[in-house]
Amino acid sequence: EPEVTQTPSHQVTQMGQEVILRCVPISNHLYFYWYRQILGQKVEFLVSFYNNEISEKSEIFDDQFSVERPDGSNFTLKIRSTKLEDSAMYFCASSGLVQGATDTQYFGPGTRLTVL
Amino acid sequence: SQQGEEDPQALSIQEGENATMNCSYKTSINNLQWYRQNSGRGLVHLILIRSNEREKHSGRLRVTLDTSKKSSSLLITASRAADTASYFCATVGNTPLVFGKGTRLSVIA
Repeated sequence: EPEVTQTPSHQVTQMGQEVILRCVPISNHLYFYWYRQILGQKVEFLVSFYNNEISEKSEIFDDQFSVERPDGSNFTLKIRSTKLEDSAMYFCASSGLVQGATDTQYFGPGTRLTVL
Repeated sequence: SQQGEEDPQALSIQEGENATMNCSYKTSINNLQWYRQNSGRGLVHLILIRSNEREKHSGRLRVTLDTSKKSSSLLITASRAADTASYFCATVGNTPLVFGKGTRLSVIA
């Protein structure tokens, strides 16, 4: 069964460093998302991406964040200058064979980002 | 906010019993989805119910949706130890998924 994959599973970085989190969505899906979950808290929406551009973003997704689909399979989240409060589990999701953003979203296993 | 809020926050039952979790939300939705998350792991999609549906089944899962009360319930029948996880409802309106805090289900063998 097709699944969303994410690498790395765990990323440790120093405050102020740039990190890139990688995702391979389910092929043929058209909508891509990033969410994050700070330990013990809710899963929060960051950004959605469709047709090679951001379709929606939350307040969390400020200028330090960017997303890119560099080729036909990868979807990346870049944090330019990490802060301690960026430590969280980051989930990638994809959807959109039929109704796009209202369809079932399939999540990857997540990348645990630890900022020291 | 369309935020889903699950109830109870935690539930502990014996294996074989049924588990019922509830979710309430605030605004109109296109659909409501339930997810499971094992500790420290990713989110697994369980079931999606659209706003024009009232009940849906998938294996041992039964989901109901009452749009007049803005609430949904997830019933897991004949629970197993492997069902131990956190369960989240997520609502979809005109914006992407909005998750609640989840219900932590513990199934004791």
